[in-house]
Amino acid sequence: NAGVTQTPKFRILKIGQSMTLQCTQDMNHNYMYWYRQDPGMGLKLIYYSVGAGITDKGEVPNGYNVSRSTTEDFPLRLELAAPSQTSVYFCASGLGGGGSNQPQHFGDGTRLSIL
Amino acid sequence: DAKTTQPPSMDCAEGRAANLPCNHSTISGNEYVYWYRQIHSQGPQYIIHGLKNNETNEMASLIITEDRKSSTLILPHATLRDTAVYYCIVRVAAGGTSYGKLTFGQGTILTVHP
Repeated sequence: NAGVTQTPKFRILKIGQSMTLQCTQDMNHNYMYWYRQDPGMGLKLIYYSVGAGITDKGEVPNGYNVSRSTTEDFPLRLELAAPSQTSVYFCASGLGGGGSNQPQHFGDGTRLSIL
Repeated sequence: DAKTTQPPSMDCAEGRAANLPCNHSTISGNEYVYWYRQIHSQGPQYIIHGLKNNETNEMASLIITEDRKSSTLILPHATLRDTAVYYCIVRVAAGGTSYGKLTFGQGTILTVHP
């Protein structure tokens, strides 16, 4: 039972570098989400996807990009890393459409530091 | 999505029931109540959810008042491993114009002590 898998678990970047945070799920969920959590705070939604080929912005999308070419994968890209993007990033997936009340399931997170 | 109010912290003795309250007085008729917890910066873990009726699963019970303005999460026999931040969230079902966003507040820090 893999569920939602995120890689890498930890990463340190220099300002201006780029990287991709990987997220894959094996539950055949159509909806996927990226959140970030700053120290002592709740999670904030960055981007979400309601199916392959469909993505949209959440609350805090600036500085990030996403793609959804398959049902399973939902990578998050940082193009020009900035110190403000130091955070823990969580990917989640869930069943949606048709008024689904099924819960979202989360990965274990990627801890990212920008120095 | 409706806002929720939770106490910032609670204590519980190991082996006793932990009762975590949540106020959601502005909840709409089509909004569900979800509970998640987060243990030491791990990913949020789903616990239970419900609409009107009380619910029980292997982890916990959820009691929703008849007017749906508040709810209580019950961990029947708390252990030290239940020490975590517990989040009460209300949201509509995912589909149509709703993409199922979860709005996390500050939650309740539950500390289970020996």
